Amino acid sequence: QLQLQESGPGLVKPSETPTLTCTVSGGSISSGSYYWGWVRQPPGKALEWIGAIYYNGNTYYSPPLKSRFTISVDTSRNQFSLRLSSVTAADTAVYYCARQSGAFGYYFDFWGQGTLVTVSS
Amino acid sequence: DIQMTQSPSTLSASVGDRVTITCRASQSISNSLAWYQQKPGKAPKLLIYMASTLESGVPSRFSGSGSGTEFTLTISSLQPDDFATYYCQQYKYYKSFGQGTKVEIK
Repeated sequence: QLQLQESGPGLVKPSETPTLTCTVSGGSISSGSYYWGWVRQPPGKALEWIGAIYYNGNTYYSPPLKSRFTISVDTSRNQFSLRLSSVTAADTAVYYCARQSGAFGYYFDFWGQGTLVTVSS
Repeated sequence: DIQMTQSPSTLSASVGDRVTITCRASQSISNSLAWYQQKPGKAPKLLIYMASTLESGVPSRFSGSGSGTEFTLTISSLQPDDFATYYCQQYKYYKSFGQGTKVEIK
């Protein structure tokens, strides 16, 4: 069974540039056919898609967020990562990694449990 | 970008009720729509994709319909495990989610 697990710093200060990592088990990122994405959810609010990456490094991002987020992949470790730049309190959220299925990674069929990132001084 | 609007925001219902949630897109998305169920403190769970295709393992009491700009998720007979928040998501142009519909116990 495919499993995804996020890891990250938890508490960060404003203006810092934290990186979150998603470790995939029970399947290989390099197998192709899927995109691997990030979704966030501020406390009590709705889900927001951030972006996704293919095993070969191709990425695409939500246009409003594109300038502040970078997704990368390490196929040797079966991991992909999300780097946030110059965080503010508005970036406080649970960050989920997920597998995107469908022809071009349309919908999310496997999710990690999520990791809470709190931005506070 | 495409805005997704769900109604109602909150729905109170009883076990056994037939429940319908509506999702409207700000422009046509054909059938590029998925539905998710989320329980408190948990990740979302995929229920339906392509507007009406049931994900493997999802009970048949869940069904989806619609195309273009208006979509519905129906639970034919609400079960205790179904009290949760439901989100629609479009994938016609990038991806965006609705604001959620909380189904609570009446």
